[in-house]
Parts: sequence; structure tokens; C-alpha cells
Amino acid sequence: DAKTTQPPSMDCAEGRAANLPCNHSTISGNEYVYWYRQIHSQGPQYIIHGLKNNETNEMASLIITEDRKSSTLILPHATLRDTAVYYCIVRAPDSNYQLIWGAGTKLIIKP
Amino acid sequence: KAGVTQTPRYLIKTRGQQVTLSCSPISGHRSVSWYQQTPGQGLQFLFEYFSETQRNKGNFPGRFSGRQFSNSRSEMNVSTLELGDSALYLCASSLRQGNTEAFFGQGTRLTVV
Repeated sequence: DAKTTQPPSMDCAEGRAANLPCNHSTISGNEYVYWYRQIHSQGPQYIIHGLKNNETNEMASLIITEDRKSSTLILPHATLRDTAVYYCIVRAPDSNYQLIWGAGTKLIIKP
Repeated sequence: KAGVTQTPRYLIKTRGQQVTLSCSPISGHRSVSWYQQTPGQGLQFLFEYFSETQRNKGNFPGRFSGRQFSNSRSEMNVSTLELGDSALYLCASSLRQGNTEAFFGQGTRLTVV
């Protein structure tokens, strides 16, 4: 079973910030939080990952709570092309454990 | 830099046949993982190859197999196809074994009739 819990769907207005939550209350000390997204009919795309500090790249920001039991992916200015299923995954890097994908959050950006 | 290339993009096969799918990873990437994606089960891990050796395996029957060549290209084979094997098969490449910063191909859409 996936070690994360995400809402099944969310809407966001174009141009606004999209905030996608993820609960990972059983996360271990050496496990990172990874975010991927999958646009319809394409392969998943890596977005960002983090351990405990907040992270930002050209695509998004990742905010991890101090107790590390939850995180939020922020798309600062959502566009219609950000409509996709967003997956939150926790796993220790370079481990032999496979990525376990949950159902993700279907994010719909509305004009 | 070219991305991950999967061929063919679409395939229709008959029950009982076998099929081979191909994946060319990003240049310099030595790990290739395969996933099956269906509407009911979501993304499920099949196996990972690194340096021509299978390093990790998911919970799939022996009809699903794979291999990796010295140039890191990988093939996946499914024998005795069943209707339930209809799915999108995704290949992901990464620099190191078990590296979670994986880059995915567009996938091969397999339909078994």
C-alpha cells in the first residue's frame, strides 16, 4: 500500500497558486518526499523532492512540516497545462524498495 | 539530451501471443525500471535493471520478464498474453540503481484482444 494520502481531486483557477497536500504520517527519518505528475496520456514527470527543508525549483515549491508528517506542493501560478494527476511518494533514496504509487490527486486548472 | 524512448507506442496483440517492448534510456543512465499502469490498479512496479542485472522485482507472474543490454537499453517481454495485460507500460531511466529521480518515457499502449 502507498505510504501517502492525497485528496482524489482539486480545482484551481488559472493564474492562482495551486496547493496540493500530502499526508505521510509514517515517514521514516531517512525517507524523502518525492512529487511526480502525469499529464494525460504521457509518462510521469519528476517535479521535486525534499527531506526536511523546504525546496524550490523552476516548477514548484515543496513545503514539509517540521514533524515531516505532511507536505504541500505549491505551483505558484497555475496554467491550464498544469492539469494532471499529481503523485506524492516517500522512499529512502538509492534503496532497493520500489516506488509505491498511490492514486494521486487529479488537479484541474480552470480558466 | 534525448529523453527516454519507448517503442512501439501502440500495440495490439491476441490472447496467447507474446510481446516485446523496448526502452532506450537517457544517455548515461544505467538504471531502467518498468511499470504497468491500468485504470484499476494504477502504476505498479514490474522490475528494475542496472548494469544488465535485475536488481528489484515487483509482484508480477513469471510471464513478465526483461533484460538489459550493455548499452543500457532494455526490453520487456510478456508471454502468453491475457486480456488483463492490456495496459500502458512505462519505462523510467535514472542515473543510479534505486534512484528516485526517474525520467519516464511516453509508454507503450498494449491492447490484448
